[in-house]
Amino acid sequence: KQEVTQIPAALSVPEGENLVLNCSFTDSAIYNLQWFRQDPGKGLTSLLLIQSSQREQTSGRLNASLDKSSGRSTLYIAASQPGDSATYLCAGNQAGTALIFGKGTTLSVSS
Amino acid sequence: GAVVSQHPSWVICKSGTSVKIECRSLDFQATTMFWYRQFPKQSLMLMATSNEGSKATYEQGVEKDKFLINHASLTLSTLTVTSAHPEDSSFYICSARVWVRGTDNYEQYFGPGTRLTVT
Repeated sequence: KQEVTQIPAALSVPEGENLVLNCSFTDSAIYNLQWFRQDPGKGLTSLLLIQSSQREQTSGRLNASLDKSSGRSTLYIAASQPGDSATYLCAGNQAGTALIFGKGTTLSVSS
Repeated sequence: GAVVSQHPSWVICKSGTSVKIECRSLDFQATTMFWYRQFPKQSLMLMATSNEGSKATYEQGVEKDKFLINHASLTLSTLTVTSAHPEDSSFYICSARVWVRGTDNYEQYFGPGTRLTVT
């Protein structure tokens, strides 16, 4: 069964820094890999979805990549801002199954 | 984009009572929906897969007699927490699966969640 691991569990950076969040998964037969943002006490906001035939996706200051052979995905955040402070969740699934989530990385960006 | 709603957004109930949470796909039909649970400072854990017109499939360790799931229509799935206890207090999130037209792939869209507190 697919397992998703995220490191680090928490990260604190000053405003303006570029940063990378890491996600690894156990089954290379991953179908979709998706990154979400969750603010405290709130639901999920989808950031980027990398579908099975893709290797990366970009949206604004965010870039996510997927390397199935190594079982890894990274989320790159450029020029971080205090408003980026949140928990970032990585989730993946195999064909026909539900997304399985990692435990998340809690990001704090100080001004 | 596909919109998924949940009702209620929060609920407080007394220990021993039952509470029903609704998950609706507002602008599309969803033959498959998923229910997740999230404890404080934890990640989302898949509880069950709900298929329209058939019995739900529960993940290992989830009590199917305690968490009743009904997916009676293509736009509505319900989760009923029966005989709730304080340890059932959690954030419950549903998700609907949507096929991406022209591909063999699909995406999951998530509801805003329901916070259950059992006193």
